[in-house]
Amino acid sequence: GESVGLHLPTLSVQEGDNSIINCAYSNSASDYFIWYKQESGKGPQFIIDIRSNMDKRQGQRVTVLLNKTVKHLSLQIAATQPGDSAVYFCAEKKAGTALIFGKGTTLSVSS
Amino acid sequence: AAGVIQSPRHLIKEKRETATLKCYPIPRHDTVYWYQQGPGQDPQFLISFYEKMQSDKGSIPDRFSAQQFSDYHSELNMSSLELGDSALYFCASSLGPASTDTQYFGPGTRLTVL
Repeated sequence: GESVGLHLPTLSVQEGDNSIINCAYSNSASDYFIWYKQESGKGPQFIIDIRSNMDKRQGQRVTVLLNKTVKHLSLQIAATQPGDSAVYFCAEKKAGTALIFGKGTTLSVSS
Repeated sequence: AAGVIQSPRHLIKEKRETATLKCYPIPRHDTVYWYQQGPGQDPQFLISFYEKMQSDKGSIPDRFSAQQFSDYHSELNMSSLELGDSALYFCASSLGPASTDTQYFGPGTRLTVL
């Protein structure tokens, strides 16, 4: 499943599918990008990050892609599990400033 | 591993009252950030501190103030509370203020203003 193109607020997938969550960031001067996962009533949890001099970074079951030309960031989750259900936020940062969060995408995984 | 600690976890106040939220960063983290998250909203940056000095300021109302103490914990003081201040307040800490210093978030304080 994929939240295609610009931000969509919800994404529903089946367990085992791959999920792609998209995000458009605002500041071309941002040099660091992060994906956070937030479960209901909890604080945002760091998932993966990428610096602006990279275009791809892989973690465990997650991959972040950065396209600076169109200021687009995506999070790919492989073999999505029910425990992945949460709100996902992208965030951008540049030196000396705080995080700027994008609009969250609610991922719902059904088994 | 130790995480960011916030207290209290829940707080209920009346309009025009004051509230103090506390944040204890991860050990050895010297940078603290405060964020406000309204229902269904993304977190909004309020203010940050590095080595006990204010390092950046966001959309923090004049009714709010904050500081970082010598042990690096931080307190957010909120006065003349309004209904619109009801939100989740998160503190995050990082090893330093650099762009690539990952911010780790606490569990948040849920403030309800009646």
